[in-house]
Amino acid sequence: GIQVEQSPPDLILQEGANSTLRCNFSDSVNNLQWFHQNPWGQLINLFYIPSGTKQNGRLSATTVATERYSLLYISSSQTTDSGVYFCASIRETSGSRLTFGEGTQLTVNP
Amino acid sequence: DTAVSQTPKYLVTQMGNDKSIKCEQNLGHDTMYWYKQDSKKFLKIMFSYNNKELIINETVPNRFSPKSPDKAHLNLHINSLELGDSAVYFCASSHWGDQPQHFGDGTRLSIL
Repeated sequence: GIQVEQSPPDLILQEGANSTLRCNFSDSVNNLQWFHQNPWGQLINLFYIPSGTKQNGRLSATTVATERYSLLYISSSQTTDSGVYFCASIRETSGSRLTFGEGTQLTVNP
Repeated sequence: DTAVSQTPKYLVTQMGNDKSIKCEQNLGHDTMYWYKQDSKKFLKIMFSYNNKELIINETVPNRFSPKSPDKAHLNLHINSLELGDSAVYFCASSHWGDQPQHFGDGTRLSIL
């Protein structure tokens, strides 16, 4: 099956800093999603971005499908950004099976 | 206006018991899923149903039996619970294919 690798595994920031999270995938994909799992365990949809660039407030994401990677940018980080960020993708021929990366644990300190 | 709702949020039970988790979505989607998140936070698909038909059945023990009475509901019944079943179980839904999946808040299952 498809492999999804995320980096870095852990990231510690001071409030106000910017960061970039990376997701590499091993095969052509039709779906690429970014999620934030907050400290209460909820999985929050951030972006559905199989290709191109999207922005939502302080967050933006870019997927370069031909090079098989996606980036999530967090600007002016806040303590509420803490949690685990997952990317997940659906391989072209795998039906609707979302394959998740292992996540990036982000801690934003005040 | 909850989109994907799961009940219960927490389930604490003894080894050997049988339990069920319910999931309902009001997004008008035709496909629903169960994912399992282990203690290392790794998320993996267990099942998916499209229009009440089982589409994906990952290598899950047959003690786990999903049931979809209609397109808006997907329940998960687990027989003879084992310690290793302790995890967070997430329900999700989407339109069929490569469309974005929306997740419920999860059910934390703890086996004593």
